[in-house]
Formats: sequence, C-alpha cells, structure tokens
Amino acid sequence: DGGITQSPKYLFRKEGQNVTLSCEQNLNHDAMYWYRQDPGQGLRLIYYSQIVNDFQKGDIAEGYSVSREKKESFPLTVTSAQKNPTAFYLCASTAGDSYEQYFGPGTRLTVT
Amino acid sequence: EDQVTQSPEALRLQEGESSSLNCSYTVSGLRGLFWYRQDPGKGPEFLFTLYSAGEEKEKERLKATLTKKESFLHITAPKPEDSATYLCAGFNQAGTALIFGKGTTLSVSS
Repeated sequence: DGGITQSPKYLFRKEGQNVTLSCEQNLNHDAMYWYRQDPGQGLRLIYYSQIVNDFQKGDIAEGYSVSREKKESFPLTVTSAQKNPTAFYLCASTAGDSYEQYFGPGTRLTVT
Repeated sequence: EDQVTQSPEALRLQEGESSSLNCSYTVSGLRGLFWYRQDPGKGPEFLFTLYSAGEEKEKERLKATLTKKESFLHITAPKPEDSATYLCAGFNQAGTALIFGKGTTLSVSS
C-alpha cells in the first residue's frame, strides 16, 4: 500500500531541546515538502526538496533544518532556535510530472 | 504577492441543504487550483485539481469549478459525514509549492 508515513503522531519535548520528525514515502515521488499548520491559519511552507541532496527554504524556515539523503525520506529537525515550535507538522510529496501534493497524517508537536 | 482567500471561514448546514464554498486567488501564472478535505487531527486528503477556467470536476456530492479569479466547491445535499475543513490551494508559475487558503470549516447536522 503506497503512501506517506509520519512518525510519531504525537511528540512532546521540553523547551531548548532539538527534535526530529520523520517523513517516509514509498510513492517514488521526487519532491517532498514540510508544512506547519496552526489554528486559524493556512498551511505554511517550511522546506521543500525537489531532488535528493538538494532542498530549499520555504516561507518560515528559521529554526528548522532538513536533510534529503534518500529519495524516500525527508526528516525535519525543529531546533531550539524555533521560537514557537508547538504546531501540527505535515509532510507532503509530489510526483515529478505532477503538481498534485499528497499528505501524510501529520505529527503534533508540543513543546513546554 | 500570491494569495488565496477562502470564504466563509465557517459554514453550518442542515443535512440536504446545498451550498457553495468560495476560493478567490491572485496567483501569478496559476498552474493548478487544488481542493483538499481535512478532518480534525489528520492530514489533508486530495479532492480535485483544476487547471483552466471553465473546468469542472465532480466526486460524489462535491463539484469543483474554476473561473479566472475564483473557484467554487459546490456541495449538493450534504450529509453529516461531509463535515470537515475544506482547503483550497494554488500552484504558482514558479511551481515550487502550493499556496494555501485558511480553509472553510463545514458542519452538517442531521
């Protein structure tokens, strides 16, 4: 069954700690994306990667980092520099010849 | 600046009461207009892509249409299971990522 998996579903961290969110896809999609969703706001783009070993900053990249060492994996690290990290994080992917993005189930991160 | 605006923010309907959700966009060189459904605590589920003005797509009780300035999601005879947040997004000429509206939260009561 093809799809996008994100883990964990819920994540709790203390302020000042870095945390890594996992995103894996077995759709053989070239491009992958990370979005952040806050109540009452639209999805905001954090980082995206169109090919392995290459990625670009989105609108709100400060305090986040990513890597793309494998086509199927695009982990997101939320660093201690991110001032308001508590949010719902969504990973998405797109086939190379399409603009249709498919989303994972999301990870809800709570930092206290 | 590219922008997508959805209205209304929230919509309450009785079961069977048809209505429409609006998505206005100012996206340079729009390459596609997308509709997603999102249930609470879950990732968005892809519904439709519209590429050119005049295009229409249907899926069960949902029908999406596109003009040069806006898109509508028509819901015919909705059921309680249609309750969700509906997101609209545009892909711009740069083709880097989707630009999302804030969504319309639909509640259908029986």
